[in-house]
Amino acid sequence: EPEVTQTPSHQVTQMGQEVILRCVPISNHLYFYWYRQILGQKVEFLVSFYNNEISEKSEIFDDQFSVERPDGSNFTLKIRSTKLEDSAMYFCASSTGQGRGRETQYFGPGTRLLVL
Amino acid sequence: KQEVTQIPAALSVPEGENLVLNCSFTDSAIYNLQWFRQDPGKGLTSLLLIQSSQREQTSGRLNASLDKSSGRSTLYIAASQPGDSATYLCAVKKDDKIIFGKGTRLHILP
Repeated sequence: EPEVTQTPSHQVTQMGQEVILRCVPISNHLYFYWYRQILGQKVEFLVSFYNNEISEKSEIFDDQFSVERPDGSNFTLKIRSTKLEDSAMYFCASSTGQGRGRETQYFGPGTRLLVL
Repeated sequence: KQEVTQIPAALSVPEGENLVLNCSFTDSAIYNLQWFRQDPGKGLTSLLLIQSSQREQTSGRLNASLDKSSGRSTLYIAASQPGDSATYLCAVKKDDKIIFGKGTRLHILP
């Protein structure tokens, strides 16, 4: 069964460094998403992406964050200058976009980011 | 602003018992409601998705109900097994985003 994959599974970085989290959505999906989960907290929506542009973003998704679909298969989340509070599990998800609202979002296994 | 609340926060039951997990949401204008399972340190596994026009969905020993007008959903697990131990997340979808509850941490005692 097709699945969303994410790399790396774990990343440790120093505060102020840039990180890029990578995702490969399911191949025929058109909508892509990033969520994060700070340890012990809720899973929170960050951003949705369709047709090469952001379709919706949360207040968390400030100027330090950006998303890109650099080629036909990858979807990336960049954090320009990491802060301690960016430490979290980051989940990528994708959906077909057909039957808007009816389709499931399929989640990847996550990337655990630790900012020191 | 949509808020999703799950009670209880944690639950321990002996193996074999039936159990109910509760979810409530503040804004009934949703596209669908979904129950996920999350094992410690792992990703999210979708269990059941209920469209806004539906009242329930079943998969094996799991049954989820939705009462949109009252902003409530329940996840019923029949004949619980130790392998059911995990955190169960309720989430509602509106527009392009999913809003999650904090989850119920379930422990099935062998």
